[in-house]
Amino acid sequence: QKEVEQNSGPLSVPEGAIASLNCTYSDRGSQSFFWYRQYSGKSPELIMFIYSNGDKEDGRFTAQLNKASQYVSLLIRDSQPSDSATYLCAVNYGGSQGNLIFGKGTKLSVKP
Amino acid sequence: EAGVVQSPRYKIIEKKQPVAFWCNPISGHNTLYWYLQNLGQGPELLIRYENEEAVDDSQLPKDRFSAERLKGVDSTLKIQPAELGDSAVYLCASSLEIGAGEQFFGPGTRLTVL
Repeated sequence: QKEVEQNSGPLSVPEGAIASLNCTYSDRGSQSFFWYRQYSGKSPELIMFIYSNGDKEDGRFTAQLNKASQYVSLLIRDSQPSDSATYLCAVNYGGSQGNLIFGKGTKLSVKP
Repeated sequence: EAGVVQSPRYKIIEKKQPVAFWCNPISGHNTLYWYLQNLGQGPELLIRYENEEAVDDSQLPKDRFSAERLKGVDSTLKIQPAELGDSAVYLCASSLEIGAGEQFFGPGTRLTVL
């Protein structure tokens, strides 16, 4: 069974610090990886995606992918209280015919 | 550009009653998804449509759940009869590309079964 594992947290960091969120997945055939942010009581919204090994940066967000170790991470620099949310890792196992498998999410709390 | 629209936002029903959820995807998005999300869990796919065709309904409990997407635009998800364990948030999402991970979610319908 294809699985996506995340530490449920909560992860608490002070304002201005770097928040590091991690995710592991079970299927080596996975092709694309996504990070969604979900505020309490709201629906998920896409913030980052990554397809190739290495780092991908977008503003304060950096996604890191290591296919050999089957993990993907999200770094949030200069964390703000508005970043407090649950971060969902999602993996597409089947390419154009596949679906997303979501992890349970990591709850991040940024303290002022 | 309007986002994914869902209704109702909240629904409270007695067990064994039927319930239906409606979704209108982003204009031009041919792929539509229905997800179920329990508290503290990630979304779980129920069914995926490509235009009007249900291309993956393997996770849909077909004894009580049904869905349709007539004319390949808006969609309805139905539960009949509802059970206590069906209490959850039902999310609709759409994407521009087939099988894309860049999905756009609607606000969801929070179902409570008493």
